[in-house]
Formats: sequence, C-alpha cells, structure tokens
Amino acid sequence: AQSVTQPDIHITVSEGASLELRCNYSYGATPYLFWYVQSPGQGLQLLLKYFSGDTLVQGIKGFEAEFKRSQSSFNLRKPSVHWSDAAEYFCAVGVADSSYKLIFGSGTRLLVRP
Amino acid sequence: NAGVTQTPKFRILKIGQSMTLQCAQDMNHNYMYWYRQDPGMGLKLIYYSVGAGITDKGEVPNGYNVSRSTTEDFPLRLELAAPSQTSVYFCASMRSLMNTEAFFGQGTRLTVV
Repeated sequence: AQSVTQPDIHITVSEGASLELRCNYSYGATPYLFWYVQSPGQGLQLLLKYFSGDTLVQGIKGFEAEFKRSQSSFNLRKPSVHWSDAAEYFCAVGVADSSYKLIFGSGTRLLVRP
Repeated sequence: NAGVTQTPKFRILKIGQSMTLQCAQDMNHNYMYWYRQDPGMGLKLIYYSVGAGITDKGEVPNGYNVSRSTTEDFPLRLELAAPSQTSVYFCASMRSLMNTEAFFGQGTRLTVV
C-alpha cells in the first residue's frame, strides 16, 4: 500500500541554523512528490513539488528538496531558518491508480528558537 | 481569484445532528477532495471526485456522504454527528490528473459534543 512516513513529529532549531525534514514514501511507480506548509489556523500552502527531471527542486521561501529514488526519500532543506518558518510541514505523494489522489504523511512541527 | 472556499469556518454540533460542509472552487478544476486532519495523524482522505456526477470513497468515508452536481461545488454531508468526527476538514481541488498540485481551502473546524 502507498504510504508516506515523516519520522520526526517535532523538530526545534535555532534561528539562522540549517534545517532538514525527512520524508520517506512507499509507492511502486514513479512518484509525484510534494511538500506543503501549514501555519497555525491556516490551510495548506505548496512549498515545492517533484514530477520528473532534476532531482533537486527549488521551492518558495528558500526551501529545496532532493528526490533520492534509491532511498525512497524526499527530504526538505533550508540553509538558514527564519522565525516565520515555524509551522507544520507535510510531505505527500501523488498516487495514480483508478484515479489520482494525494497521500499525506503525519507531519512535522517545526519550532524555531530565537 | 477566490480559489477554494470552505464554509463555515467553525461549527459546534450536538451528537446526532446533521450538517453540510460547503466547498466551492472557481478554477474549473475537475478533481476535488475532502480530507480530515487530526492531531499527529496528518490528513486522511474522506471522499474524492474526478468530475461532476462522479465520486468515490477515500481512506475514511464512514459517517460521511458527498455529491458533485456541478464542477464548482463539492459538499460533504454528516448525517448523524459523532464525537469521533471532531476534526478539521479541508477541501482541495486539482486541475488535472498529472503534473499539478492540489489547492486547499482554509478549513472547517468541527466540534461534536
């Protein structure tokens, strides 16, 4: 069955430090991969997406993610975290069977220390 | 450009009551989805639709019903509300099958007491 695992429930980093959020997926075919961010009380905003081609993708707000097929991973990175990055981050895989839907991970909550 | 609009934003229901969560999109997207979000559980797919008149069950459909009479609207119906349906509900839409992302509404926070 298709699934997405985000092994870190919470991560705390200091402002200005680098960040890496982990995401592993289970899907038999070529995956379509996404990272979304959710600020408190808000909906989900797309950070970046991978469909094909270059395995390092750039997104909004200075985020990037690298697709590694051999590790079934799509980790999100940022070189220098800002206090406004504090939010919940969701990794998702697009699954095409009889239709098409997004399967989400359980999320990682990012806390930023001043 | 409104995108995906959900109403209401908040609602408190008593056990056994019914209600409809509204979702409308103005992007002419074929694909629409309903998710529920529970703390630490991520988003679980309730129902989805690939076009007007076509709906299908997701991972957690029990206790819910949907309809899709137009491309724009995708309401979610709770017939007999239960405390287990306390959650935040998100509607999303997508233009086509591949190479696009989902756009989300702001959510409806539902409490069943």
